Amino acid sequence: RKEVEQDPGPFNVPEGATVAFNCTYSNSASQSFFWYRQDCRKEPKLLMSVYSSGNEDGRFTAQLNRASQYISLLIRDSKLSDSATYLCVVRIPVGGTSYGKLTFGQGTILTVHP
Amino acid sequence: SQTIHQWPATLVQPVGSPLSLECTVEGTSNPNLYWYRQAAGRGLQLLFYSVGIGQISSEVPQNLSASRPQDRQFILSSKKLLLSDSGFYLCAWSVLGLFSGANVLTFGAGSRLTVL
Repeated sequence: RKEVEQDPGPFNVPEGATVAFNCTYSNSASQSFFWYRQDCRKEPKLLMSVYSSGNEDGRFTAQLNRASQYISLLIRDSKLSDSATYLCVVRIPVGGTSYGKLTFGQGTILTVHP
Repeated sequence: SQTIHQWPATLVQPVGSPLSLECTVEGTSNPNLYWYRQAAGRGLQLLFYSVGIGQISSEVPQNLSASRPQDRQFILSSKKLLLSDSGFYLCAWSVLGLFSGANVLTFGAGSRLTVL
């Protein structure tokens, strides 16, 4: 099983739609969680961190479910400019230490069409 | 403000040829530096990271090497490229260390390598 797993999509949605992505992680001791956005042939950029209580940034809402070991990203009122690949990033503990390393999922492709 | 530069942006190299990708960071001191590779349809794979000049940690055995000759300069190299070295190479930096809970990465624009 992959350490961090995402549905690669693609998700094709019309403008104004609400779309949600999930990301599962295998290590229950995983620590920090993030969503990065990567435009076609560009570098990834931090979209938002994911906090235990869930957090919102404008049209974007991130949630963490530790019991089921997944994080989610909800995008409301989709814009054409939201078209990108969304990368799930999880800090996974190293060995028996309290340290963790960032591990990236393969990404979920979103296309928003007019 | 901090900026990260990476070059070349694109290159096509024959199998067996050498490689040198360069990355520099401006506007900060003693950054943590990283090289990642992204193969088609796959997640980012950490190749090397560095916490200071001359300090390099390798994450996976491979045909590549990294060096940090100056505080804000990180170089990825190979003596002889393989077909499997093709991919999108990303340099990144962070203020906090690799293992820090608050570690956030800022990536360079990437170097797209095709080995023929």
